[in-house]
Amino acid sequence: DVKVTQSSRYLVKRTGEKVFLECVQDMDHENMFWYRQDPGLGLRLIYFSYDVKMKEKGDIPEGYSVSREKKERFSLILESASTNQTSMYLCATKRPERTDTQYFGPGTRLTVL
Amino acid sequence: GDSVTQMEGPVTLSEEAFLTINCTYTATGYPSLFWYVQYPGEGLQLLLKATKADDKGSNKGFEATYRKETTSFHLEKGSVQVSDSAVYFCALSDRGLTGGGNKLTFGTGTQLKVEL
Repeated sequence: DVKVTQSSRYLVKRTGEKVFLECVQDMDHENMFWYRQDPGLGLRLIYFSYDVKMKEKGDIPEGYSVSREKKERFSLILESASTNQTSMYLCATKRPERTDTQYFGPGTRLTVL
Repeated sequence: GDSVTQMEGPVTLSEEAFLTINCTYTATGYPSLFWYVQYPGEGLQLLLKATKADDKGSNKGFEATYRKETTSFHLEKGSVQVSDSAVYFCALSDRGLTGGGNKLTFGTGTQLKVEL
């Protein structure tokens, strides 16, 4: 079974803080993704990575950056957290094949005060 | 660009009722189509998928058929249970991004509540 873990289930931070969200997968998948989930908006792609040290912007990259130094780990960074970044953050992973399934982590609910 | 439209919820049903959650899509080419389910407090997990026209995906009593002519992928179940209460997301996978990392485009989700 694919296992995708995220560093925290719940996180509370203050405006202006630097926030790190980490995602680790154990299936040697090349592709990793960060989404945010908001009511009424579904899931929106922030960034993705198709290989170590490679990254591409998704639909809503503003205010975020990412890091992928090792194949199994993909980090999402909020350089200066703002209240509009309060959301559920979901990490996903998959193999490169077009029809392959994305496997999701349990999510991190981030609240920025 | 690609888009997915699914019916708004919440949908409230009695146990053993028939379920349909509508999903239509807009995409260029021939996307793969997915239904994901999110149980309370958990991440998303794949429920079923179909990769080409007229394919039927099925799992746990749920079914959906890839209809290219109507650009639809409606989710159905003949008899729902309380344990099916969750949020259901329809999604499509585009042709491919850099390096083959296919982005999923999601609908907004439909919450299903099943009552005794």
